[in-house]
Amino acid sequence: EVQLVESGGGLVQPGGSLRLSCAASGFTFSSYSMNWVRQAPGKGLEWVSYISSSSSTIYYADSVKGRFTISRDNAKNSLYLQMNSLRDEDTAVYYCARDGGGGYSGSTFDYWGQGTLVTVSS
Amino acid sequence: DIQMTQSPSSLSASVGDRVTITCQASQDISNYLNWYQQKPGKAPKLLIYDASNLETGVPSRFSGSGSGTDFTFTISSLQPEDIATYYCQQYDNLPSFGQGTKLEIK
Repeated sequence: EVQLVESGGGLVQPGGSLRLSCAASGFTFSSYSMNWVRQAPGKGLEWVSYISSSSSTIYYADSVKGRFTISRDNAKNSLYLQMNSLRDEDTAVYYCARDGGGGYSGSTFDYWGQGTLVTVSS
Repeated sequence: DIQMTQSPSSLSASVGDRVTITCQASQDISNYLNWYQQKPGKAPKLLIYDASNLETGVPSRFSGSGSGTDFTFTISSLQPEDIATYYCQQYDNLPSFGQGTKLEIK
């Protein structure tokens, strides 16, 4: 069974940093691209970042470019999101989501974690 | 950036009704569109991929159609467990989502 479990969320002051983790199991992690998607309280979904299976290709949304860094450790079956210079508007539930790969034509999020809440507030 | 416009933003319907949600892209995205269902407090779930393909295990009352800029998501006979918010998502370029449609029971 595919499982994605996020951790690392919490309360942080504006300008602070936080590192999110996503532990993957139930599939060959090193074969799949991964994403972070966030959802502000009461709002819609916003794609944040993408990393290919080998980490050779990385993309960011304009809203986080230069402040967030996505990475992965295939030996540890783990995905990360380093968030620096956090702002009030970064407050959200952050989900890691698997990119479905060859069975789909493009970025299709076929499995999601339960999410971890990041609150940026003084 | 490709903008996705969903309508309506909310919808109230009765059990057994046919429900339709539309999603319009700001430019041609071919069939590069997915639909997700999100229940309160839960992660989104993939329902439809490549505009019209039903994800494995998803009930056949859900369907999708369209190409280019205009897409439609349909529930043929609304069930109580379908109460959720539905999102379209394009992947022609960097992924982006519609603003969501909150579906309620009348």
